[in-house]
Amino acid sequence: KQEVTQIPAALSVPEGENLVLNCSFTDSAIYNLQWFRQDPGKGLTSLLLIQSSQREQTSGRLNASLDKSSGRSTLYIAASQPGDSATYLCAPNFGNEKLTFGTGTRLTIIP
Amino acid sequence: SQTIHQWPATLVQPVGSPLSLECTVEGTSNPNLYWYRQAAGRGLQLLFYSVGIGQISSEVPQNLSASRPQDRQFILSSKKLLLSDSGFYLCAWSVVGIEETQYFGPGTRLLVL
Repeated sequence: KQEVTQIPAALSVPEGENLVLNCSFTDSAIYNLQWFRQDPGKGLTSLLLIQSSQREQTSGRLNASLDKSSGRSTLYIAASQPGDSATYLCAPNFGNEKLTFGTGTRLTIIP
Repeated sequence: SQTIHQWPATLVQPVGSPLSLECTVEGTSNPNLYWYRQAAGRGLQLLFYSVGIGQISSEVPQNLSASRPQDRQFILSSKKLLLSDSGFYLCAWSVVGIEETQYFGPGTRLLVL
């Protein structure tokens, strides 16, 4: 059974700091991996999709990395802002067009 | 541009009552469609997915069912709701291709009392 773990479950950092969110998965044979953010009571917003052939993907202040061999992905957020406060979810695609979600990291940026 | 709609946004239903949640996608053709449930304090669980009209795959045994009567319409149903059906239901779509990004709707919050 494929499992996805996100640590920590919750994280609070002062505004302006850089931070890293971690995601690990048990099956290294992934097709791609998506990072999402979810605001309270809302749907998911896709942030980045990184293909299995890529090592990293960047969008603005966000950078996602992928290490298939070790079953890990990280989401790096630079110069954090209060608007970054949300739950961040990683979701590998194990090649069957279905995503397996982690339980998320709840991020709070302190002004 | 593509958009995805879900309704209702919020629903309170008694145990044993029927359920019908609707999801529609605009601006794309022949999408893959997905129903997820997010229970309090738990991750997203894939319930159903569909690769075409009338084609439904179920991921977990439950008292819910799904139907896809039209290319861009996905319906989640139940004949008799259970307390454990409470949660946040999310619909998503994707197009098989280079990116295969999944895009999510705004969700329906269901409370079964």
